Amino acid sequence: EAGVVQSPRYKIIEKKQPVAFWCNPISGHNTLYWYRQNLGQGPELLIRYENEEAVDDSQLPKDRFSAERLKGVDSTLKIQPAELGDSAVYLCASSVEARETEAFFGQGTRLTVV
Amino acid sequence: GEDVEQSLFLSVREGDSSVINCTYTDSSSTYLYWYKQEPGAGLQLLTYIFSNMDMKQDQRLTVLLNKKDKHLSLRIADTQTGDSAIYFCAESMGRDDKIIFGKGTRLHILP
Repeated sequence: EAGVVQSPRYKIIEKKQPVAFWCNPISGHNTLYWYRQNLGQGPELLIRYENEEAVDDSQLPKDRFSAERLKGVDSTLKIQPAELGDSAVYLCASSVEARETEAFFGQGTRLTVV
Repeated sequence: GEDVEQSLFLSVREGDSSVINCTYTDSSSTYLYWYKQEPGAGLQLLTYIFSNMDMKQDQRLTVLLNKKDKHLSLRIADTQTGDSAIYFCAESMGRDDKIIFGKGTRLHILP
């Protein structure tokens, strides 16, 4: 069974440019999570979806970050415009039910903003 | 507020035991977790312990919890090269609640 798939694996962009990350969760997983992991830190939850509904986006910087999960399957996370401080690994995870501890993680997208 | 602290690095010789320590501040934390992150990979839940337990053992892994001192440790017996990774301590108030992660301890295995 395929795990959580994220693309791209790496992305380098100049500041002020837009960037988007894509996540394909495990089939049948209703809950999808996006995390940001800064260098030398643990992951921080940005947004959680239950099916297509964003049920917890309190940590998502809404001035420049947006996310969507159309049809309750794949999800995209967008940053526009990117800032130097957005350099991090963006992790996607999914779970059958809304329980973080049972989430399976993707490999992440490493973003470098120069 | 919620905070999880752990040392950043640990070097251990192959075959020895590794002990990774963690302290947390929220006394209402009910669940404490250890995650493993291998290079270029996402996090993998290794084990968790409920706050009314003192110890939990799973094959080479032993988790010890001192609730009075808010101290959690992960012991890896007979450390192998495949154990080289970053280990994150984490807490939550309940299994369905938000998880707060520490900064991670990078375990380096010496030959």
